[in-house]
Amino acid sequence: QVQLVQSGAEVKNPGASVKVSCKASGYRFIGQYIHWVRQAPGQGLEWMGRINPNTGDTDYAQKFQGRVTLTRDTSISTAYMEVRSLRSDDSVIYYCVREALGMDVWGKGTTVTVSS
Amino acid sequence: EIVLTQSPGTLSLSPGERATLSCRASQSFSSSYLAWYQQKPGQAPRLLIYAASSRATGIPDRFSGSGAGTDFTLTISRLEPEDFAVYYCQQYSGSLPYTFGQGTKLEIK
Repeated sequence: QVQLVQSGAEVKNPGASVKVSCKASGYRFIGQYIHWVRQAPGQGLEWMGRINPNTGDTDYAQKFQGRVTLTRDTSISTAYMEVRSLRSDDSVIYYCVREALGMDVWGKGTTVTVSS
Repeated sequence: EIVLTQSPGTLSLSPGERATLSCRASQSFSSSYLAWYQQKPGQAPRLLIYAASSRATGIPDRFSGSGAGTDFTLTISRLEPEDFAVYYCQQYSGSLPYTFGQGTKLEIK
């Protein structure tokens, strides 16, 4: 079945970086955009950016431009999101999401905790 | 940026009742790019409706979407106990960034 499997929870110090992976299976990876969405505890959904797995082209929300990098490795059908210069308000759940007809397949989320 | 405003913030209803959730956009966009999601505690969101009115795979027909331009509606015809959750609308038109509404919490009365 179509699924996105994300890497496990991370604990990082302020100022560090984190890289979250998202492995796709059950469909042609290069065929659909992968998006990243984050959610703070008890809060709503925030779109961060997207990557075209075929070309590697990316788009970012202005808020994350320059601090977030989206990449992919087509040989293993995996997308990555790296966040640099982590702050306490980056302690959220990060989701990778496939866009087909709407955002139809979501990973289970990766919790990142930023704490000294 | 297209801002989506959902109302009400919280909706208190009983099982069997009809729920009507609203999503209003700050500017008009194609209804082909409006989606609704359901999120339960501790779970990732789930796609319910895409293109404003098309049900995603496996979504019961008690869920329906409508609207165009700047005003969109999600209707749940007869609430089941499992429908109590938070609902988000989202626009995914060519106008980046993609944006979500702030959510409507549907709670049991």
